[in-house]
Amino acid sequence: QKEVEQDPGPLSVPEGAIVSLNCTYSNSAFQYFMWYRQYSRKGPELLMYTYSSGNKEDGRFTAQVDKSSKYISLFIRDSQPSDSATYLCASLNRDDKIIFGKGTRLHILP
Amino acid sequence: DTGVSQDPRHKITKRGQNVTFRCDPISEHNRLYWYRQTLGQGPEFLTYFQNEAQLEKSRLLSDRFSAERPKGSFSTLEIQRTEQGDSAMYLCASSLGGAVYEQYFGPGTRLTVT
Repeated sequence: QKEVEQDPGPLSVPEGAIVSLNCTYSNSAFQYFMWYRQYSRKGPELLMYTYSSGNKEDGRFTAQVDKSSKYISLFIRDSQPSDSATYLCASLNRDDKIIFGKGTRLHILP
Repeated sequence: DTGVSQDPRHKITKRGQNVTFRCDPISEHNRLYWYRQTLGQGPEFLTYFQNEAQLEKSRLLSDRFSAERPKGSFSTLEIQRTEQGDSAMYLCASSLGGAVYEQYFGPGTRLTVT
């Protein structure tokens, strides 16, 4: 079992819809969780990080962590075509290494 | 631009040749990381520096790979005797102090070994 699992998609949604991106992780000791956005042929861009369980909001983006189910979510409100990218979830392991999921490809349809 | 920069952005080389990539981190960041990313995968950790000291290397990093950060500023990653399996995107990231969870990535160097 990979430490961070993510459905690769692609996920296609119409412009303006709410997008829900999800990951699971295997190690209950993980405390920090991150979401990165990566456009084609570019480096990953840190969107937000959260510590332990709970929600964190930044503009149209909300990150949610449920440690009881080892579930990580990213919600994007009022999705725009410019949100089309690959979204990588990640966690920090006990050795302070970032473990990434494979990424979910998101397409926002105009 | 005060973000992480990498050079070159693209490199095509023949099998068996040596290549070197450069990374310039965000100026006040004392930690610098190298990752490798292949198509359809997330980045995988290769090695990291705190200031000029290389503190850890992944088992993914074979003896053909070497990294330096001579003055605690920019870093270089060299691959000797390249193989086709080395074709990937090589990413550099930096962070400030203990904020390991807050790493900022450069645009990457895409390596193609023919």
